[in-house]
Amino acid sequence: EDQVTQSPEALRLQEGESSSLNCSYTVSGLRGLFWYRQDPGKGPEFLFTLYSAGEEKEKERLKATLTKKESFLHITAPKPEDSATYLCAVQDRAGSYQLTFGKGTKLSVIP
Amino acid sequence: EAGVAQSPRYKIIEKRQSVAFWCNPISGHATLYWYQQILGQGPKLLIQFQNNGVVDDSQLPKDRFSAERLKGVDSTLKIQPAKLEDSAVYLCASSLADGAYEQYFGPGTRLTVT
Repeated sequence: EDQVTQSPEALRLQEGESSSLNCSYTVSGLRGLFWYRQDPGKGPEFLFTLYSAGEEKEKERLKATLTKKESFLHITAPKPEDSATYLCAVQDRAGSYQLTFGKGTKLSVIP
Repeated sequence: EAGVAQSPRYKIIEKRQSVAFWCNPISGHATLYWYQQILGQGPKLLIQFQNNGVVDDSQLPKDRFSAERLKGVDSTLKIQPAKLEDSAVYLCASSLADGAYEQYFGPGTRLTVT
């Protein structure tokens, strides 16, 4: 059974204070690892897909990296508008193409 | 490009009543998903359609939940009868096709069962 564990559950940062969110996963074979951002009362918003260990992707202040066991979402010099819950999900090569999500990390960036 | 549309946005019902949710995916997206997101949890897949055929409904409580996707476009998810534990946000997502394609989510329907 695929498993995704995200840490920390919540993270409080000062504006400009860089940090990283962790996503540890267990799958029989990884097809893709996805990062989403979710604002209160809204559906998840797609950020990145990573396919193989060593891959990195960047978007504005966010950078996602992938190893064989975990992924990191690095946030550089965050701003208050980066406050949201960040969800990690994996897609297994076996079976259907469903995403298995972690519980998310709630990020708060204080001005 | 218009996103995934869902309605209603909010619904409050009493237990044992029935409820239906509607979803219209992004134009041209062949694959449609329904997820259940309980407060404080990540979304959990209920059912996946490829065009108008079911690909995966292994986690759908079939004694009370049903879904259809007529004509391979929009979809309806129904709960009958509802239980207290069905209180959650029901999210619809779509993707171009099966595979490692990103899924795009709608705003969700928040269901409260009293």
